[in-house]
Amino acid sequence: DTGVSQNPRHKITKRGQNVTFRCDPISEHNRLYWYRQTLGQGPEFLTYFQNEAQLEKSRLLSDRFSAERPKGSFSTLEIQRTEQGDSAMYLCASRRGGSYEQYFGPGTRLTVT
Amino acid sequence: GQNIDQPTEMTATEGAIVQINCTYQTSGFNGLFWYQQHAGEAPTFLSYNVLDGLEEKGRFSSFLSRSKGYSYLLLKELQMKDSASYLCAVILNTNAGKSTFGDGTTLTVKP
Repeated sequence: DTGVSQNPRHKITKRGQNVTFRCDPISEHNRLYWYRQTLGQGPEFLTYFQNEAQLEKSRLLSDRFSAERPKGSFSTLEIQRTEQGDSAMYLCASRRGGSYEQYFGPGTRLTVT
Repeated sequence: GQNIDQPTEMTATEGAIVQINCTYQTSGFNGLFWYQQHAGEAPTFLSYNVLDGLEEKGRFSSFLSRSKGYSYLLLKELQMKDSASYLCAVILNTNAGKSTFGDGTTLTVKP
């Protein structure tokens, strides 16, 4: 499968715990996005990487959220001290330079109890 | 701020044609996407419009009027598998080329 992959697909955690998600983009795509989607709403932009550089981050993103893309390939999104309001689907998307089409991964569904 | 409006729900009959409208007011515009999203799955790309006019791709067509801030997605010969959420997304004029999404239109196709 040469599409975008995300792990884990589902995560249940208790409030206050830290969680980390991984995204593996399509190999030739150097642009990578993280989005959050809650039921009945469209994806909401969280952050953007071009290669290993994090070039844009949503103002809605609290300090509890951090993302990395250390070698310009896979990316991780960490949420510290999770809250019930963090429960959502976390989507990763990638694209190549010169094209605006984003390819989405299957998402990680987070449930905070 | 960014504002994208689309109807929340629509219902249509198998074999019919349906038009899903999207209006937008955004600071900057670099094109408009339509995505299909089945429940519990990731969005999949349907179409991309950057110039005014109609883009046709099989049973799906998408139209854009930049002066009116308006787009529509036209689905012909509806099939049951077309039941899904359809998301309108505007690519903003930023270095990131990030997209701002509408909340989606849930289409139900009935026999």
